[in-house]
Amino acid sequence: AQKITQTQPGMFVQEKEAVTLDCTYDTSDPSYGLFWYKQPSSGEMIFLIYQGSYDQQNATEGRYSLNFQKARKSANLVISASQLGDSAMYFCAMREVNYGQNFVFGPGTRLSVLP
Amino acid sequence: EADIYQTPRYLVIGTGKKITLECSQTMGHDKMYWYQQDPGMELHLIHYSYGVNSTEKGDLSSESTVSRIRTEHFPLTLESARPSHTSQYLCASSEAGYSNQPQHFGDGTRLSIL
Repeated sequence: AQKITQTQPGMFVQEKEAVTLDCTYDTSDPSYGLFWYKQPSSGEMIFLIYQGSYDQQNATEGRYSLNFQKARKSANLVISASQLGDSAMYFCAMREVNYGQNFVFGPGTRLSVLP
Repeated sequence: EADIYQTPRYLVIGTGKKITLECSQTMGHDKMYWYQQDPGMELHLIHYSYGVNSTEKGDLSSESTVSRIRTEHFPLTLESARPSHTSQYLCASSEAGYSNQPQHFGDGTRLSIL
């Protein structure tokens, strides 16, 4: 069964606007972590932000924030003030504490920032 | 600055050749991974290792093999390359056990089999 769902294969946003990339997950493990990565066209994977299942506050890292809604099992990435360099693939990933501990990735969302 | 290194960055080679993709990390991580990824598509875990002399197959069946003789080194080998092996291969490492630390990725190897 798909553990990570990213329902937006592609998204467009105007430069300087905010954009939300959706991620929902499925787990029965009460302890887990959620990660977002950015992959530019050059191919490398860049870690952006982390949210733990017991964290009380939503994670923030500069222009990136994570809208964590535990009851809905969603962990959406919000990018504020989009820049042209934000154009890339974005992957949501989950790591369960008790079940295997491997990272599970979603299918990704391609974000295009328009000038 | 990358602490996990993959070579070569690009490789174009003919069918039937033996290929080894190199991956090394300097962080002392016990756990290492290989992913296969077609352009713009999701990552598929093909191999992982918990430490020296440990190798496991991932979720996607692969004709490649791996070895882990040293903590820092996790090479991937294709005995006889075929066009279907054309893809990007990403190596990653992480701390053993659960932590809030992410996987660290290399820059990837883009492999093209003619």
